Amino acid sequence: DAGITQSPRYKITETGRQVTLMCHQTWSHSYMFWYRQDLGHGLRLIYYSAAADITDKGEVPDGYVVSRSKTENFPLTLESATRSQTSVYFCASSDNTYGYTFGSGTRLTVV
Amino acid sequence: DQQVKQNSPSLSVQEGRISILNCDYTNSMFDYFLWYKKYPAEGPTFLISISSIKDKNEDGRFTVFLNKSAKHLSLHIVPSQPGDSAVYFCAASGEAKAAGNKLTFGGGTRVLVKP
Repeated sequence: DAGITQSPRYKITETGRQVTLMCHQTWSHSYMFWYRQDLGHGLRLIYYSAAADITDKGEVPDGYVVSRSKTENFPLTLESATRSQTSVYFCASSDNTYGYTFGSGTRLTVV
Repeated sequence: DQQVKQNSPSLSVQEGRISILNCDYTNSMFDYFLWYKKYPAEGPTFLISISSIKDKNEDGRFTVFLNKSAKHLSLHIVPSQPGDSAVYFCAASGEAKAAGNKLTFGGGTRVLVKP
């Protein structure tokens, strides 16, 4: 199916564990983004990518790592999860116009 | 420091009435503004946008107004319908394609439309 998909939809992990959130898009959009949604903060940019092998930090990158070896995939890794990383994570893609298409999100709970 | 602010976290309105959502920004480099709508357990979806060269853009029941001198924009929904109950995010973009269209979002306003 065409679109942007995130997996898993829900994840519970323990403090200190490494966890990877997956994002896959089928449009071959150049740009991909990771945002986190927290109450009172709205959506904050974690990392973004302009193309395969090109990534850059956003507003809140600490504790996260990204890679983009293929245009369609943009995984987000929490190297050592902390409770402050409990959030809803959204991946988005863009074809270099102003609009984004978002995935359905991953709700991550760090206990 | 938040560059895009939505000062009203929630809004309740009667069906058929007008909903007015407000958004303020501080960065004068922003040149394009968008509104996204988000239902629970779904990703945000694009609603309407406006370029800084305009002061109004209309799409059906939705109108966005931009006041550049005040660094303020608003979204009007007329008439409001129960299906409009959602969280609305204001977003801004600057430096266009050179910056990969990074969007800066406000904190969101939760709208409840009562039947």
